[in-house]
Amino acid sequence: ETGVTQSPTHLIKTRGQQVTLRCSSQSGHNTVSWYQQALGQGPQFIFQYYREEENGRGNFPPRFSGLQFPNYSSELNVNALELDDSALYLCASSLIGRGGNTGELFFGEGSRLTVL
Amino acid sequence: GEDVEQSLFLSVREGDSSVINCTYTDSSSTYLYWYKQEPGAGLQLLTYIFSNMDMKQDQRLTVLLNKKDKHLSLRIADTQTGDSAIYFCAETPNRDDKIIFGKGTRLHILP
Repeated sequence: ETGVTQSPTHLIKTRGQQVTLRCSSQSGHNTVSWYQQALGQGPQFIFQYYREEENGRGNFPPRFSGLQFPNYSSELNVNALELDDSALYLCASSLIGRGGNTGELFFGEGSRLTVL
Repeated sequence: GEDVEQSLFLSVREGDSSVINCTYTDSSSTYLYWYKQEPGAGLQLLTYIFSNMDMKQDQRLTVLLNKKDKHLSLRIADTQTGDSAIYFCAETPNRDDKIIFGKGTRLHILP
């Protein structure tokens, strides 16, 4: 177990709605990354948050947005949901800027979003 | 561009060795990883290798890196039923940067 927790674990929304997913990072980690994993695919990088600011973004539209809080927890918000947003959303925490960092990500178990 | 390719499926008999292969395109890849995902779970880091290494062994796991051909492999010795999972190859040029994942190889264990 990594110590990264995500909520909710499952949720169902309808097209056009908005969703907020939450993540608590592993103790001692200062960075949170969000990934989208569609069925049968590998995780796709959405964005990374470091020091409460976006620190890199993948090829996702602006309706995907996020926040990082002073305690390093994070939220992923998706507006105007589309059917193709149905996926497992994975949060991963890591440690940036410290010696000995191997860049590895510690993943939560994900939030499975179904858009109808 | 950044791309990581791996075969989608591998079937192995219990007790045999499993070899999962991966190729990547980013010549600036510095860190390469193998992650394991069991059904309904997140990803778990199995092992990693730096690009200046050719091989890394960790108990039943052996990672081989051919940097010239941009080829990475994961060998699991004495494969057990508990090894049944999806294995993702991943890379990054910078340990503080995003990690690029392949689509995963589903390892199926035959009795």
